[in-house]
Amino acid sequence: QIQLVQSGAEVKKPGASVKVSCTASGYTFTTYAISWVRQAPGQGLEWMGWISPNSGSTNYVQKYQDRVIMTTETSSSTAYLELRSLRSDDTAVYYCARYDGSAWGQGTLVTVSS
Amino acid sequence: NFMLTQPHSVSESPGKTVTISCTRSSGSIASNYVQWYQQRPASSPATVIYNDDQRPSGVPDRFSGSIDSSSNSASLTISGLRTEDEADYYCQSSQSSNVVFGGGTKLTVL
Repeated sequence: QIQLVQSGAEVKKPGASVKVSCTASGYTFTTYAISWVRQAPGQGLEWMGWISPNSGSTNYVQKYQDRVIMTTETSSSTAYLELRSLRSDDTAVYYCARYDGSAWGQGTLVTVSS
Repeated sequence: NFMLTQPHSVSESPGKTVTISCTRSSGSIASNYVQWYQQRPASSPATVIYNDDQRPSGVPDRFSGSIDSSSNSASLTISGLRTEDEADYYCQSSQSSNVVFGGGTKLTVL
């Protein structure tokens, strides 16, 4: 079955960077873009952007434009989200999802605290 | 970009029917497909409706979706409510490859 498996929880200090991975299985990785979505504690879902594993093209939400890098490694069917210059309000669960929404990762809790 | 507005919360009794609305602020609701996600506590979202009114396999036919161009909104209807339906529900659509989520609706089955 289609699965997206994410890396484990992270604790980072303000100003640091974090890189979250998302490994796909059960389908051809290059067929669908991967979206990244975050959810702050007690809040709703917020789309951050997507990356096409086929072309490498990206589409980032403007508020993250200067801090986020999305990449993929097709040999391992893995997508990565890197977020730089972390702030306390970046504390959230980060999800990867197939662009059509049919599969989601289990989520990765990123805690930013001094 | 447009916004999708949902009621903050709804509640209904087991066995009854509830409808959750999702109103698009600008542009036609019919111009891009609407998806609905269910998110139970401490779980990832899961699709219950895609492409306006399609159910993924495994989702019971108690869940149905529709769009209404006159009100520029989409709706998720859950009939025969069960306690297990208690969750947060999010609508989602897109425009020019940008994805937009509604703010979410907390469904309480009491």
